[in-house]
Amino acid sequence: NAGVTQTPKFQVLKTGQSMTLQCAQDMNHNSMYWYRQDPGMGLRLIYYSASEGTTDKGEVPNGYNVSRLNKREFSLRLESAAPSQTSVYFCASSDFTEAFFGQGTRLTVV
Amino acid sequence: EDKVVQSPLSLVVHEGDTVTLNCSYEVTNFRSLLWYKQEKKAPTFLFMLTSSGIEKKSGRLSSILDKKELSSILNITATQTGDSAIYLCAVEAQGAQKLVFGQGTRLTINP
Repeated sequence: NAGVTQTPKFQVLKTGQSMTLQCAQDMNHNSMYWYRQDPGMGLRLIYYSASEGTTDKGEVPNGYNVSRLNKREFSLRLESAAPSQTSVYFCASSDFTEAFFGQGTRLTVV
Repeated sequence: EDKVVQSPLSLVVHEGDTVTLNCSYEVTNFRSLLWYKQEKKAPTFLFMLTSSGIEKKSGRLSSILDKKELSSILNITATQTGDSAIYLCAVEAQGAQKLVFGQGTRLTINP
């Protein structure tokens, strides 16, 4: 049982480059989330998807887009990366008893 | 706007001490409060507290929800170096279908 699989684990981008972070869950959860974690800031919600076909902005959505491709997959796209987007990104899915997290993506924008 | 605040942000104690971590929240239509432990990578689930389950215990860890005070505490007794981690509190609102996290408490247990 893989749980939540997130790729890549590490990425370095130049300012202005684009990339997509991939996330897939095999637990048949309706809800999926993207968070970023910066030192001293806890986990901040970027976007979430309550069900297939729906997405909503979280606390810090600017500079990001998401796609809920199907029930399993929820991707996060940075169209034009900025140094302020240097962070660790976590994908999660939930059945409302607990949230399950991917292992994180450490993204550095130089 | 939903808000979760944890305190202290950082705590350093000696092995064997007892610690209490705090989480307070402001959320419309509270549904549940969750505690996570984060070591090197992804957070791992500890407890979920709801209106029907306001106290949970697992070994040396226990947590209580105070719905009147809109807060929760996480207690760890007889701490061990392996308890060193960031402890995260998250709150879920009815119908909102999202988890809002606090900043976390960085706990360091010195031998």
